[in-house]
Amino acid sequence: QVQLQESGPGLVKPSETLSLICTVSGGSISSYYWTWIRQPPGKGLEWIGYMYYSGSTNYNPSLESRVTISIDTSKNQFSLKLSSVTAADTAIYYCTRDPSLFSGYFDFWGQGTLVTVSS
Amino acid sequence: DIQMTQSPSSLSASVGDRVTITCRASQTISTYLNWYQQKPGKAPKFLMSAASSLQSGVPSRFSGSGSGTDFTLTISSLQPEDSATYYCQQSYSTPRTFGQGTKVEIK
Repeated sequence: QVQLQESGPGLVKPSETLSLICTVSGGSISSYYWTWIRQPPGKGLEWIGYMYYSGSTNYNPSLESRVTISIDTSKNQFSLKLSSVTAADTAIYYCTRDPSLFSGYFDFWGQGTLVTVSS
Repeated sequence: DIQMTQSPSSLSASVGDRVTITCRASQTISTYLNWYQQKPGKAPKFLMSAASSLQSGVPSRFSGSGSGTDFTLTISSLQPEDSATYYCQQSYSTPRTFGQGTKVEIK
């Protein structure tokens, strides 16, 4: 059974860069589309983007100028960097798996990590 | 972006009731529609893909239907453990987008 676990700072200062890592266990990170989704407290879900294990990416245009998703196949990890954060980026960040380019759904989720943007 | 609109935003029903949640897309998405269940403090759980294909392990009281722009999620006999927020999500195009959620409460 595939398991995903997010890790990273829970507090980030405004204008700085949010950095999170997702560790995948119980399966290989090779193949699949590894995706980040976020949820502001008490609100709905927002797709941030994905990276395929081979390196191709697709980001939400609303965040594209600030987002980088990368993958480390040797560690079975993928990561999220979001630059120039503001209070609007405060959210629970989930790492997820999308089985294929033609599925577009998220079958495995991490437990989520709350990132607060505040000075 | 494709906008997804769910109705109602919340509902309250009794155990054993039939519950229907509606999801509407701002443009046609064929059957590229998925459903998730989220309980408080937990990550969303994947329920169904392609509008009506139930994920393994999901109880058969859950069913989905629809194509084009209008979709429904039905719980045939509501159980206490079904109290949650339900989200639809389109996978027709990127950026992937979600409905705003429907909160289901037990009377």
